[in-house]
Amino acid sequence: AQKVTQAQTEISVVEKEDVTLDCVYETRDTTYYLFWYKQPPSGELVFLIRRNSFDEQNEISGRYSWNFQKSTSSFNFTITASQVVDSAVYFCAPNMGRRALTFGSGTRLQVQP
Amino acid sequence: ETGVTQTPRHLVMGMTNKKSLKCEQHLGHNAMYWYKQSAKKPLELMFVYNFKEQTENNSVPSRFSPECPNSSHLFLHLHTLQPEDSALYLCASSQTREDTEAFFGQGTRLTVV
Repeated sequence: AQKVTQAQTEISVVEKEDVTLDCVYETRDTTYYLFWYKQPPSGELVFLIRRNSFDEQNEISGRYSWNFQKSTSSFNFTITASQVVDSAVYFCAPNMGRRALTFGSGTRLQVQP
Repeated sequence: ETGVTQTPRHLVMGMTNKKSLKCEQHLGHNAMYWYKQSAKKPLELMFVYNFKEQTENNSVPSRFSPECPNSSHLFLHLHTLQPEDSALYLCASSQTREDTEAFFGQGTRLTVV
């Protein structure tokens, strides 16, 4: 069975702090994709990143970075120097077994000014 | 203009009503999806359409009836709903149903009274 766990239900930080959102998944597939999405209060899910299971190189995009560790089945997301506009619910979503995305329960991030 | 448009944004309906949710994508994608987001549950995949053909139905009750007349449009017909069906219904599309990122609409907030 495929499963994704985002153990942190809610995180609150003060602006400019760094914050890491955890994602752990289970799969028997050897090939898969991993995604992160952001859901601001307006409701739509915004695509952030897609990572192929064969590519374990960490990725950085501006203040965002992702740490993919296949050995521990984790795909963690770090926001550096957080801003109030980063406040949202963040979802980790593996795409396994050539199926549609399966979302984790999400982590609500509150960035206080 | 957003790539995936959902109408209406908000809907209140009685349990005996019949209504439809509409989704339209302007991205040239071939796969479309309905997701349900309840307050206390993770995002749940409901239906998947690929090239207008339904490829997944995740044990959704028959009071939800999807329709995909072409690759750009997706409907969710609702009838005899229950209060527990109140949720945010999100439509998404992707180039294919497998390994590409999905783009989401802003959702329809449905309240069943």
